[in-house]
Amino acid sequence: EAQVTQNPRYLITVTGKKLTVTCSQNMNHEYMSWYRQDPGLGLRQIYYSMNVEVTDKGDVPEGYKVSRKEKRNFPLILESPSPNQTSLYFCASATNNEQFFGPGTRLTVL
Amino acid sequence: SQKIEQNSEALNIQEGKTATLTCNYTNYSPAYLQWYRQDPGRGPVFLLLIRENEKEKRKERLKVTFDTTLKQSLFHITASQPADSATYLCALEGGSYGNNRLAFGKGNQVVVIP
Repeated sequence: EAQVTQNPRYLITVTGKKLTVTCSQNMNHEYMSWYRQDPGLGLRQIYYSMNVEVTDKGDVPEGYKVSRKEKRNFPLILESPSPNQTSLYFCASATNNEQFFGPGTRLTVL
Repeated sequence: SQKIEQNSEALNIQEGKTATLTCNYTNYSPAYLQWYRQDPGRGPVFLLLIRENEKEKRKERLKVTFDTTLKQSLFHITASQPADSATYLCALEGGSYGNNRLAFGKGNQVVVIP
């Protein structure tokens, strides 16, 4: 089944404790992206990647890192999470401008 | 800066009627405009894409129009069904915003009443 998977789906952590949210797609898409969704603010793009080893900032990249060492994986790294990064995170891959979203990761930073 | 506006009030509509949603944007000249459906707690699902040089696109009971002069897209669900109840997001890509960058509106909830 063609899909985008994210792990973990739910995470509660504390300020400053480094964490990684994994994202993987099995559709051989070159484009991948990370978004966060917050009430009243909608979906905002964090980072995107056009291909392996190519990443670019979206609208809200501060406090996040990404890497794209393989085509299928695009992990999101929070080196020192803060409470304002509490949010619902979505990974997506795309082909022909059509984005396929993962199921989301609900992150709470205490 | 770019601004994308969707109605924040939920649209309540009787089953069988046509639901019409609006997406307005300012300070922006997108190359593409997309519509997505999002159910509570789930990721958005792609519905339709329309290019800047296209006026209208249809897919089954869905119709999208794109007026680059008015900077507006209309999204229609004809013969609406309770299963159409969801939040619908418009998204703009490319053009003056930059290729491969996607900006979303906040979404407009639709409730189809049986």
